[in-house]
Amino acid sequence: EPEVTQTPSHQVTQMGQEVILRCVPISNHLYFYWYRQILGQKVEFLVSFYNNEISEKSEIFDDQFSVERPDGSNFTLKIRSTKLEDSAMYFCATRNTEAFFGQGTRLTVV
Amino acid sequence: AQSVTQPDIHITVSEGASLELRCNYSYGATPYLFWYVQSPGQGLQLLLKYFSGDTLVQGIKGFEAEFKRSQSSFNLRKPSVHWSDAAEYFCAVTGFQKLVFGTGTRLLVSP
Repeated sequence: EPEVTQTPSHQVTQMGQEVILRCVPISNHLYFYWYRQILGQKVEFLVSFYNNEISEKSEIFDDQFSVERPDGSNFTLKIRSTKLEDSAMYFCATRNTEAFFGQGTRLTVV
Repeated sequence: AQSVTQPDIHITVSEGASLELRCNYSYGATPYLFWYVQSPGQGLQLLLKYFSGDTLVQGIKGFEAEFKRSQSSFNLRKPSVHWSDAAEYFCAVTGFQKLVFGTGTRLLVSP
């Protein structure tokens, strides 16, 4: 079965540092997403990406966040100047019809 | 705007008993509906989906769900629960863009 791969699986970073979360989507998928899940809470939409540009973003996705597909394969989420409240699981998803989710990156900001 | 309500935060079911997890959605057009399962510390695994056609859909691990347009519901069922089914279950809706998730229902399975 095709799968979405996310790296790293865990990341610990100091407050104020920049982090880049990486996702390798399923090869023929056209739509890419980042979601966030704070511990014990629901999965929240951050941003969707189609045709090399952001198609929709949530209120959470402020100037601190950015996404790109630097080499036509990887799909990255960059968080500049991390805050404590950015600690969460971050899920990448890709889709044509149904969405396939990666296993997530657990980000801990200390 | 689309939304999903999962009214039960926790449900406890005895092993071997039947299960029904409730999901109500709000969406202005024909929705695409999904159920995902998440084990602790793990990612989201798709159990089943509804796009169109037969309103009773079968999924993996013996789960099924029924789309009822008149009730705006997409409840998840399983006739006989196994201890390994203990997890968090999320219902989600989309109109072909972002997925909107419910708050989840944590299933506990008692011996």
